[in-house]
Amino acid sequence: QVQLQESGPGLVKPSETLSLTCSVSDYSISSGYYWAWIRQPPGKGLEWIGSIFHSGSTYYTPSLKSRVIISVDASKNQFSLKLNSVTAADTAVYSCARASYSYDSSGYSYYFDFWGQGTLVAVSS
Amino acid sequence: SYELTQPPSVSVSPGQTARITCSGDALPKQYAYWYQQKPGQAPVMVIYKDSERPSGIPERFSGSSSGTTVTLTISGVQAEDEADYYCQSADTSGTIQVFGGGTKLTVL
Repeated sequence: QVQLQESGPGLVKPSETLSLTCSVSDYSISSGYYWAWIRQPPGKGLEWIGSIFHSGSTYYTPSLKSRVIISVDASKNQFSLKLNSVTAADTAVYSCARASYSYDSSGYSYYFDFWGQGTLVAVSS
Repeated sequence: SYELTQPPSVSVSPGQTARITCSGDALPKQYAYWYQQKPGQAPVMVIYKDSERPSGIPERFSGSSSGTTVTLTISGVQAEDEADYYCQSADTSGTIQVFGGGTKLTVL
């Protein structure tokens, strides 16, 4: 059973950079799959932030693309999120997840099968 | 940017059938996935590839697809099904993942 655990500061000041790390257990990131960050503002819905493959290729949601970097450190079996120039609107529970996939004549299709418990990050001075 | 549209809320009495819809222009081309999220918990997938049910998910959960709309159906709703439900799919490129806004299912 794949396990994921987020870590990082729970409070970030406006205009600064939010940095989180996801540690993966019982599965080697280098073995494959995309790995994702997803956030959920308090009382609101889920928002996919982006995904990274073990090789380093990334995809980001268009609305955050200019402020986000997702990176992977396979030697530590971790991947990370950096979101710069944060505002109060970035306050959310941030979760990491494994993006599994299915493949058929329609092509690849991704879904999130293992999730971390999530960590609340508040943006406030 | 691509969006998936869900009704904010659905209410049903125990034993009745709940239907939650999700609409998006790329759904004829991209599979949809449904997640159940209870307060303070991580989402759990209840339907994958439009209509497949993962192992361990009760048979009362089913999914269907028609054109630009996919539907999650919960037959014989139980109190424990009260939760938020999210659809997830991708844009036409398949590389940008999107969640619907979520539907709060209330069991009266």
